[in-house]
Amino acid sequence: DAGITQSPRHKVTETGTPVTLRCHQTENHRYMYWYRQDPGHGLRLIHYSYGVKDTDKGEVSDGYSVSRSKTEDFLLTLESATSSQTSVYFCAIRGDGEQYFGPGTRLTVT
Amino acid sequence: QKEVEQDPGPLSVPEGAIVSLNCTYSNSAFQYFMWYRQYSRKGPELLMYTYSSGNKEDGRFTAQVDKSSKYISLFIRDSQPSDSATYLCAMTSGTYKYIFGTGTRLKVLA
Repeated sequence: DAGITQSPRHKVTETGTPVTLRCHQTENHRYMYWYRQDPGHGLRLIHYSYGVKDTDKGEVSDGYSVSRSKTEDFLLTLESATSSQTSVYFCAIRGDGEQYFGPGTRLTVT
Repeated sequence: QKEVEQDPGPLSVPEGAIVSLNCTYSNSAFQYFMWYRQYSRKGPELLMYTYSSGNKEDGRFTAQVDKSSKYISLFIRDSQPSDSATYLCAMTSGTYKYIFGTGTRLKVLA
C-alpha cells in the first residue's frame, strides 16, 4: 500500500464548471503524477510534479492546471469542464523507479 | 511505431494454466520495468518491478526482462479465476516519464 488517496472518488458535474481533484500521499515522495485513462488510449500523463511548487506539463495538459503547495498534496483543476474530460483520473507517486497508483476518481461531465 | 507494444487480448485460459504476458519496446534506454494488474473500476496495482535485465520471482508471478531483444514477460503459474484482470506493462529510463502498454485482458476460466 503506497498510501495514496484520491478525493472525490466519483463526481458528476456540468459543462463549464470548475472541478478540483485532490491526491494525498502519506510517504513523502518527491514525484507525483496525474493521469487520465480512457478506452482505446490507455494511461495518458496530464501533469506531474517534482517538488513543492515544481510542476510540468504532460502529453494531454490542455484544459488542466495543477498545484502543489505541500509535499503530500497534488491538486488537479479542470478550469471549465468539457464533455471530453469525462474520464477516470489516477494519481501516482514515484518510488525508487517504480510508480504506485491511487484508487482513481471517476469524473462525468454532462 | 509505438514505444511499447502489448497485445490487447482478450486471453482466455483454463484455471491452473501457466499464463505468459508480453511487451516489446523500442527504446534501449529503458532501465526500469513494471507490471501492473488492474481490476475493473480499480486503480493499477504494482505486481512486479525489475531494474535492468534478468528474472524476478514473487509467489506465482515471474517477471523476465531481455534487454537485448527489447522484450519483457510476466508469467503467472497455477492461474486462478481471481487473476482475471487487465495487465499493464510499463517502463522508464529513469526520468520522470513512464511509458505504458495498452494492457492485456486476461480471463481465467473456472
